[in-house]
Amino acid sequence: NAGVTQTPKFRVLKTGQSMTLLCAQDMNHEYMYWYRQDPGMGLRLIHYSVGEGTTAKGEVPDGYNVSRLKKQNFLLGLESAAPSQTSVYFCASKQGGNYEQYFGPGTRLTVT
Amino acid sequence: AQSVTQLDSQVPVFEEAPVELRCNYSSSVSVYLFWYVQYPNQGLQLLLKYLSGSTLVKGINGFEAEFNKSQTSFHLRKPSVHISDTAEYFCAVSGGSNYKLTFGKGTLLTVNP
Repeated sequence: NAGVTQTPKFRVLKTGQSMTLLCAQDMNHEYMYWYRQDPGMGLRLIHYSVGEGTTAKGEVPDGYNVSRLKKQNFLLGLESAAPSQTSVYFCASKQGGNYEQYFGPGTRLTVT
Repeated sequence: AQSVTQLDSQVPVFEEAPVELRCNYSSSVSVYLFWYVQYPNQGLQLLLKYLSGSTLVKGINGFEAEFNKSQTSFHLRKPSVHISDTAEYFCAVSGGSNYKLTFGKGTLLTVNP
């Protein structure tokens, strides 16, 4: 039981490049989330999903897109990366009816 | 809408000293409260949670927190800290709909020998 995994762990992009971050969970959770963590800002919700095939905007969605084609996977896309998107990205998941979110180890993204 | 304020961005303490990390929240509905811990270069791990019942909640690694509705606070305490408790601690609130968490900005606890 791996829990929540994220791929890749590190990535460096040039401004304007695109990439996709993959989150996978093996706990059969309905809900999945993408957060970004910046120094002194805590965690801010980018997008979330309450079930397969559904997505919704969080607090800071601009510049990101997401997809949840399979229940176990939640993809975060950057179509045209900007230096302001340099951050650590965390994925989380939870069971419906529960409150605890389980977090992945994070992806450190640098945009130059 | 809900919000969380962690009153201290950094808390340095000596090993074996007691510590309190402060958290205040605001919400227009009933709340569920959480403390998460993040060790260096790792993800977040749940330390403890308050959903209902006793206002004193015990968590892992000897931490506890007390929910105070009148003061809208959920402070985290440990009577004697260890070097290994050095980490960043996040307070979070979920209110109304149960599927979103709002996090505070974090408190960096540094335990010195």
